[in-house]
Formats: sequence, C-alpha cells, structure tokens
Amino acid sequence: QVQLVESGGGVVQPGRSLRLSCAASGFTFTSYGFHWVRQAPGKGLEWVAFIQFDGTNENYADSVKGRFTISRDNPKDTLYLQMSSLRAEDTAVYYCARDGYFYDSNGYNPKGNDYWGQGTLVTVSS
Amino acid sequence: DIQMTQSPSSLSASVGDRVTITCRASQAITNYLAWYQQKPGKAPKLLIYAASTFQSGVPSRFSGGRSGTDFTLTISSLQPDDVATYYCQKYDSAPFTFGPGTRVDIK
Repeated sequence: QVQLVESGGGVVQPGRSLRLSCAASGFTFTSYGFHWVRQAPGKGLEWVAFIQFDGTNENYADSVKGRFTISRDNPKDTLYLQMSSLRAEDTAVYYCARDGYFYDSNGYNPKGNDYWGQGTLVTVSS
Repeated sequence: DIQMTQSPSSLSASVGDRVTITCRASQAITNYLAWYQQKPGKAPKLLIYAASTFQSGVPSRFSGGRSGTDFTLTISSLQPDDVATYYCQKYDSAPFTFGPGTRVDIK
C-alpha cells in the first residue's frame, strides 16, 4: 500500500537549518511529483513547495522562497525539504503529499494530493 | 496570486442534515479544485478532485459542484464521522493555495 513517512522534525533555534525527509513506498516513486504542506498549531493548511516527478521543476510559496529547498533522491525513493534561516513562524507540522493524477481520453489529468504522510513537527524556538 | 476563501468558517448541524460549504476563488480558475477532510490530529484526506469527482472510497453522501468561481462541497446527510475541518485547494498551477477551512460539528 502507498506509504509516506516523514522524519527529521524537532526543536531548532531561529536562524538555524533543518532537513526533513519523506520516505515513500508502495508505488513507483519516479512517476510522481510531491508537495510539502505545513500546518501551524491551531491553523489551516499552507502549501510550501512542489517538485516535479523528474526533479526538473520546483515551485515555492513566497513565505519560504530563498530559504527552503525541495529535492528528491529517486534511487532512495525519498523526498527532502532543506530549511534554512528558520523563523518562529515556520513552526508547524510538515506533511509530504503525493501529487496524484489519472489518465482518461483527454490524457494526463492531475487530481490533487491523493496520499499524505503523518507529518513531522518542527518547532523554531530559542 | 489567486486567493481562496471559504464560507462559513464553521457550522454546527444535526445528524442527517444537509450541509453545504462554499469555496470561492478570487479569479476564474480551471476545474482543478480539490476538497480535503482533516480530523483532529490526523493528516488531510482527499475527498473530491476536479471539482466533482469522488476519490476512491469516499462515501456517496459527499458531492462537489461548481458555479462560476464558486465551488461547493455538500454532505447530503451529516454523520457523526463527518466531524472535521474541510479545506478546498486549487491545484492547476503554483501557488497551490488552500482555503482557510470550514469546521463542521454536530449540534
């Protein structure tokens, strides 16, 4: 079955760096793009970053652009989020999510984030 | 960037009631609109994609619709298991913005 398992969260001081990992299993990793989505305590969902299936295209939310980098290691079936210059407002549960799709008579069709990990908590505090 | 709003921000209804949540885009968008359900302490779950298509395994009491820039999620007969926060998301292009969420409780 499809599984996404995040790791790497923890408590980090403002201005420091942290790298999150998302290990995928149960499907062909190289056929899918992936997102990172975060949720601050008691708040809603915030899209953070996206990487295309082949790693050739990345997109970032303005709130993290220039500080966060999404990447993937296809042989290891693993997604990463390198976070630097961390701020208190980056405190959140970080989820990785698969960018789902389906094919019909019109060809390729995206379908949103069809599988999610359980999340990993990042706390930025001195 | 396109902004997504949702109304109401919260609602309380009785078991068996019909419940409708609205998501509005600040500009015209494609049908690439998804709805997610998130229960407390859990990851979000995809309910509907392409505005009105069920994800596999989603109960048929959930349905999605569209009228112009307004998208709707309807629960035809609210059940206790439906207590959750519901989010819409545009996923046609970056930024893949979520709506602020609608919390649904049982009265």
